[in-house]
Order: sequence, then structure tokens, then C-alpha cells
Amino acid sequence: HLQLQESGPGLVKPSETLSLTCAVSGGSISGSNYYWGWIRQPPGKGLEWIGNIYYSGSTYYNPSLKSRVTMSVDTSKNQFSLKLSSVTAADTAVYFCARLDSTGRIPDYWGQGTLVTVSS
Amino acid sequence: DIVMTQSPDSLAVSLGERATFNCKSSQTVLYTSNNKNYLAWYQQKPGQPPKLLIYWASTRESGVPDRFSGSGSGTDFTLTISSLQAEDVAVYYCQQYYSSPLTFGGGTKVEIK
Repeated sequence: HLQLQESGPGLVKPSETLSLTCAVSGGSISGSNYYWGWIRQPPGKGLEWIGNIYYSGSTYYNPSLKSRVTMSVDTSKNQFSLKLSSVTAADTAVYFCARLDSTGRIPDYWGQGTLVTVSS
Repeated sequence: DIVMTQSPDSLAVSLGERATFNCKSSQTVLYTSNNKNYLAWYQQKPGQPPKLLIYWASTRESGVPDRFSGSGSGTDFTLTISSLQAEDVAVYYCQQYYSSPLTFGGGTKVEIK
């Protein structure tokens, strides 16, 4: 069955770039009708959609983060990635990667999430 | 952005009793051309990622127990657990996918009374 696993540094310094990768197993990123995305959750708070990417490389970002977000996909490794630049303490959150349905609007499989803390 | 507001923030319900909570969107999420409400519900247990329960406001995801049901249209929606089980203790979130950016409600925490 499909599994998603986030990886990356758990601690990032203010003003630096947060980088995370999501490895997908049990299914192929390429050639499918699904979208792949990132959603974050600050500790004790609600969920915020960051953006999606299609296997072709087409991206869709939340306008509130668009100036700082870059997503990419590596079909040869069956994984996709997130970069968030110029981070501040407000970017401290659990970051989830997810598969979204064929409309790119409904996250239906989620990774376990990884906590990224922004601190000097 | 469409703002999603959930109520109450938390509720305590006895085992076997009905739990009902609400989600309101700042503008309609009903697409009139196909008469579908672009609204989903998720369950998040402590230390776990959210799990999709319901989409199109009332369609249960495969494998979701039928004690979970969604209703509503336009801007007002309800998730009902017909007979609360211990494993239903969680935070429940609604999400609109009518327009970008996708947005979530603040969640309702369900506990056992």
C-alpha cells in the first residue's frame, strides 16, 4: 500500500532555507493522475496547505507562501521536495507530505509528518 | 481566501452517544454546475497525520465506519458520529476545496465524557 515518508533537518536557523523530501513507496509518482503536496501544522494549531506538484513539474502554491516556496519532483527516485526560504519562528511546524486526488484538492494519503523547528 | 470556522472548539460525549459538530465557510462551497459541495472532513488522532473521512460533504472514504456521516450544503456543514466509540477521540477538521488556496477549519476536539 502507499506510503509517504518525510525527511530533512529538524532544526533550521532563522533566515535560512528549510528543505524537506518526501519518499513515496507502494506507488509511482510519475504517470499517475495524482498530485503531491505539502501541508504544515504549527504545534497545537490547525492545518495550512503549502502547495502541490504534479509529476510533470507543474506547481500550485499557497499565495501566502508563494514568494518563499519551491517544490520539485524527482521521478527517478520517486520522491518530491519542498524548499522554504527565509524562515522565521513562525515557520516552526510539523510538515506533512501528502498525495492529493486527481483534482489536486483532496489530500487522501498523508505521511507521518516531521517537526521542523526554526531557532538559532 | 475562504475562511472555515468550526464549532464548538471541543465537546465531551458519553460512549455510545451522538456527537455533532459544525463547520461554516465564509462563502459558498457549492458548485452549482454539478451540485457538489467541495467540502471534506478529516480525523486527526494525537501524534498521527490527518485521515480523510468524508469528501463531497457526505461521501465516506473507503473503510470509514458508517457511524460517521456528513451533511449540509452551501456554507453550513455538519459531521455526526452516531454512536461515539473510544477510538473516535480525536480532533476533526473540515477543509474546503472549492477554490485555491485550500483552507482548513480550526478543528473540533472530541473527548469522552
